[in-house]
Amino acid sequence: DAGVTQSPTHLIKTRGQHVTLRCSPISGHKSVSWYQQVLGQGPQFIFQYYEKEERGRGNFPDRFSARQFPNYSSELNVNALLLGDSALYLCASSLAWGQETQYFGPGTRLLVL
Amino acid sequence: GIQVEQSPPDLILQEGANSTLRCNFSDSVNNLQWFHQNPWGQLINLFYIPSGTKQNGRLSATTVATERYSLLYISSSQTTDSGVYFCAVEGRGSSNTGKLIFGQGTTLQVKP
Repeated sequence: DAGVTQSPTHLIKTRGQHVTLRCSPISGHKSVSWYQQVLGQGPQFIFQYYEKEERGRGNFPDRFSARQFPNYSSELNVNALLLGDSALYLCASSLAWGQETQYFGPGTRLLVL
Repeated sequence: GIQVEQSPPDLILQEGANSTLRCNFSDSVNNLQWFHQNPWGQLINLFYIPSGTKQNGRLSATTVATERYSLLYISSSQTTDSGVYFCAVEGRGSSNTGKLIFGQGTTLQVKP
């Protein structure tokens, strides 16, 4: 079975632009979470969705938003990009919400110039 | 919120050596996972271990939930074990459900 997939793998944007990142969970998984990893640090939680509803939000500004579709795939949107948004964005999927093993995708590397 | 501390921050080993990585957490947890991040950024699941002991080949892990720490053991290390090892926990309570909090990681370099 395929693991978690993310697209695109790499992205270069300029300040002020908008970006959309996509994630497809493992087949049968109903929960998707998004994490941001800045160079040299551990990943930080951004959002979690389960059954198409937001179940958790981390300490990120309103420029960050996400949604989950009926097929359980998800997209993360970031508006008004700042240089500090440059990071590896990781998507994780799990069977359900909470106390479940989370499996991570390969990530999307975003560079904001 | 819950704090996760990993030690040591950096570790250099000769191939064949054994090592122990530690993860301390500041509050009770529902979930604890160990990951290996390869040079391309992929986080690879090693263990889901909120309590007890598990083994998988040359790797084993022990979590003592009552004392709020977990240990990852790597035996007979190989150059392919190089990378960053992360511990991540999910705190208790509805506000923490599903939210993994990561430590800063241990960077392991195994020399041939």
